[in-house]
Amino acid sequence: KNEVEQSPQNLTAQEGEFITINCSYSVGISALHWLQQHPGGGIVSLFMLSSGKKKHGRLIATINIQEKHSSLHITASHPRDSAVYICAAPSYSGGGADGLTFGKGTHLIIQP
Amino acid sequence: SQTIHQWPATLVQPVGSPLSLECTVEGTSNPNLYWYRQAAGRGLQLLFYSVGIGQISSEVPQNLSASRPQDRQFILSSKKLLLSDSGFYLCAWNIGQESQAFFGQGTRLTVV
Repeated sequence: KNEVEQSPQNLTAQEGEFITINCSYSVGISALHWLQQHPGGGIVSLFMLSSGKKKHGRLIATINIQEKHSSLHITASHPRDSAVYICAAPSYSGGGADGLTFGKGTHLIIQP
Repeated sequence: SQTIHQWPATLVQPVGSPLSLECTVEGTSNPNLYWYRQAAGRGLQLLFYSVGIGQISSEVPQNLSASRPQDRQFILSSKKLLLSDSGFYLCAWNIGQESQAFFGQGTRLTVV
């Protein structure tokens, strides 16, 4: 079964800083998800990526399939970016009915 | 378009009361559907998944049950809630080998 580890667990930074959140997994996968969970609990899907890099606004996600590692970057961070960021990978290689294994999340606080 | 709906967003229930959380999807047929739970300080953990009407698989023993009465409907239930059932519940729809997934908004359940 895939094991998903995130770091750091908690991160506090000043507005404008460049943020990096890391995710590693143990079993080779076809794609990995990054999710955002705001205070109050709602989940938003940020990225699904299977190779290389994706960018959406100030968010950038990268993945290295060979090293089984992904990173989520936030440029010019803002207090509204404060949230829990979660990575998720297929529980077994290939996904399907096996579902996703989620990391424990990174609690990000951006101070003004 | 493909969407997933989950309700309610928040719920406060007394110990011993019943529970029913509903999840419906649109824009697809015969989806794989999942219920996850996030307890305090932990990552999202798979509770149930379903590959079709009346087909439910349980990942962990618990005080909860799931049903799939219609192709695009997935229900999480309990006859008598426990304090330990408090947490964040998430419905997800996972498609195919590329692991494309859609997530409901989540339900934050507090048992008092």
